[in-house]
Amino acid sequence: EADIYQTPRYLVIGTGKKITLECSQTMGHDKMYWYQQDPGMELHLIHYSYGVNSTEKGDLSSESTVSRIRTEHFPLTLESARPSHTSQYLCATRLINEQFFGPGTRLTVL
Amino acid sequence: QQPVQSPQAVILREGEDAVINCSSSKALYSVHWYRQKHGEAPVFLMILLKGGEQKGHEKISASFNEKKQQSSLYLTASQLSYSGTYFCGTEIPPGNTGKLIFGQGTTLQVKP
Repeated sequence: EADIYQTPRYLVIGTGKKITLECSQTMGHDKMYWYQQDPGMELHLIHYSYGVNSTEKGDLSSESTVSRIRTEHFPLTLESARPSHTSQYLCATRLINEQFFGPGTRLTVL
Repeated sequence: QQPVQSPQAVILREGEDAVINCSSSKALYSVHWYRQKHGEAPVFLMILLKGGEQKGHEKISASFNEKKQQSSLYLTASQLSYSGTYFCGTEIPPGNTGKLIFGQGTTLQVKP
């Protein structure tokens, strides 16, 4: 059973604000990912990390940034939120061939 | 690079069968299948590695045809609990890179 925590679960914020979405895991998995998903739509990979101090951009261009200073944490930051950033953000880890997803953060930017 | 799934949506009655296809224009090393129920996170179903092997999970099985660069997910005698969106994922570039790119999803609705 994977333990992946995402906070906050829901966030409504105004345009121009800086936000950080938290993702933490207790399994010690090296590989971690951020996906963006609009309701009922596909999962877009926006960032991934293969371990501490390793971060790469995914296939979907995103204005967000990530950091991986500790194995357990993989936060995602938006310096200036815009309405186009409204979406659900899913964090995941991977062990061998299986990805474990967190519950997601539903972000609404007004 | 994104795999293509078909059909986009399926509506079934309990007990009926369904097939969901996933194809790629690139060579495949593996195909991963996930199911996402409404309002929940995706959950891993199975992985198919190149070699045309078949795998099973409950009454859900899948095949992988490396030459055709496609995989098919078979849902047999569907149950209400099978409802959700099914995603296939492939690794780009091919290999155990850990970078999974998902198809657009197939929504399955099972009715009583």
